[in-house]
Amino acid sequence: SQQGEEDPQALSIQEGENATMNCSYKTSINNLQWYRQNSGRGLVHLILIRSNEREKHSGRLRVTLDTSKKSSSLLITASRAADTASYFCATDVMDSSYKLIFGSGTRLLVRP
Amino acid sequence: SQTIHQWPATLVQPVGSPLSLECTVEGTSNPNLYWYRQAAGRGLQLLFYSVGIGQISSEVPQNLSASRPQDRQFILSSKKLLLSDSGFYLCAWNRGLRLSNQPQHFGDGTRLSIL
Repeated sequence: SQQGEEDPQALSIQEGENATMNCSYKTSINNLQWYRQNSGRGLVHLILIRSNEREKHSGRLRVTLDTSKKSSSLLITASRAADTASYFCATDVMDSSYKLIFGSGTRLLVRP
Repeated sequence: SQTIHQWPATLVQPVGSPLSLECTVEGTSNPNLYWYRQAAGRGLQLLFYSVGIGQISSEVPQNLSASRPQDRQFILSSKKLLLSDSGFYLCAWNRGLRLSNQPQHFGDGTRLSIL
């Protein structure tokens, strides 16, 4: 079953604009991760945020985590055409395995 | 530096034929290894993971099996492929006693088409 769900499913913006993607999850987590996938390729890790953290930055990326609302957001500032990709959140399952469960992703199109 | 190799990149197989997909990791030891399947336009479904040689955990009942004959080698197999086995198969690895505490690193995937 899905643990994380991204919103929106698809997003189209103009180059230079900011892109915000949201992720909601159902059960308590240890950490939440964001990944990027270019078409036909493997996923690339972007950011890991732990449950006791509220915000993390990496270059033009900003991730927030609100454990009370069971939600996270990924903000890409000053988007570029090269940011066009699918973005996935992944949360861990707090059973004995702590495996990751991936959402269905947000497809981002940045128009030049 | 660590690298992950996955092959082949694409594969077309008839229904009922066997399957063997291989994944190898270089530059690290005792990694956690994963096989995922991704349907078109969808998220990843975890199929198998392994925390050590010969240790395989299966996540969903299916027509596939996995093996880890060596520390950095993970193999996905089937004796008889079904049409529903079509998809994009991804191998990944990470380190750590808890599977989720470290980022996962992915191969470039195998696109499997069953005819």
